[in-house]
Amino acid sequence: SAVISQKPSRDICQRGTSLTIQCQVDSQVTMMFWYRQQPGQSLTLIATANQGSEATYESGFVIDKFPISRPNLTFSTLTVSNMSPEDSSIYLCSASGTRGDEKLFFGSGTQLSVL
Amino acid sequence: GIQVEQSPPDLILQEGANSTLRCNFSDSVNNLQWFHQNPWGQLINLFYIPSGTKQNGRLSATTVATERYSLLYISSSQTTDSGVYFCAVPKEETSYDKVIFGPGTSLSVIP
Repeated sequence: SAVISQKPSRDICQRGTSLTIQCQVDSQVTMMFWYRQQPGQSLTLIATANQGSEATYESGFVIDKFPISRPNLTFSTLTVSNMSPEDSSIYLCSASGTRGDEKLFFGSGTQLSVL
Repeated sequence: GIQVEQSPPDLILQEGANSTLRCNFSDSVNNLQWFHQNPWGQLINLFYIPSGTKQNGRLSATTVATERYSLLYISSSQTTDSGVYFCAVPKEETSYDKVIFGPGTSLSVIP
């Protein structure tokens, strides 16, 4: 199983600023994803982080608001841009292995509060 | 797109009791995963179970893909089982790893 480290674990930010969340996996993985979990809710997929190319965003999420990088097979970042209080959520990084072994693992999440 | 439902939404158990959580999905899937989110927010993958039955200690899961449901059994529950249980399936029939999550079952085990 992959071990995923995510930082920061929590942050309190001012409206209009941006925060970059880092995700490091202890082994090379095929797929990396970013999810959002709003208070008391389930997880919603934001995007697939593609190595060496632009991320693939789900409906309702756009690159200008959530730019994502994935420079290699073990690292990805998610930026939450021009934040508003509605962006207050837990953001989670996840990764899965090769085809036939798509078990999904998660980092511990970033608790974001926007004032 | 595919729809995922879970029942019950909330469950309170006395320590030592058994329970069954259910996950229904609207379309054919090629895999299904069960997760436990503990009260501190950490998500743990419990089972990767496209079909059949798997067991891991006091937990077991069964997926009947042809009937579009999966069950998670918790036996002899402990307070550490508290948290939210999610099932997750691929977003599209042809995909494997881009998964969506059900709404979850919130479990509280009381001593």
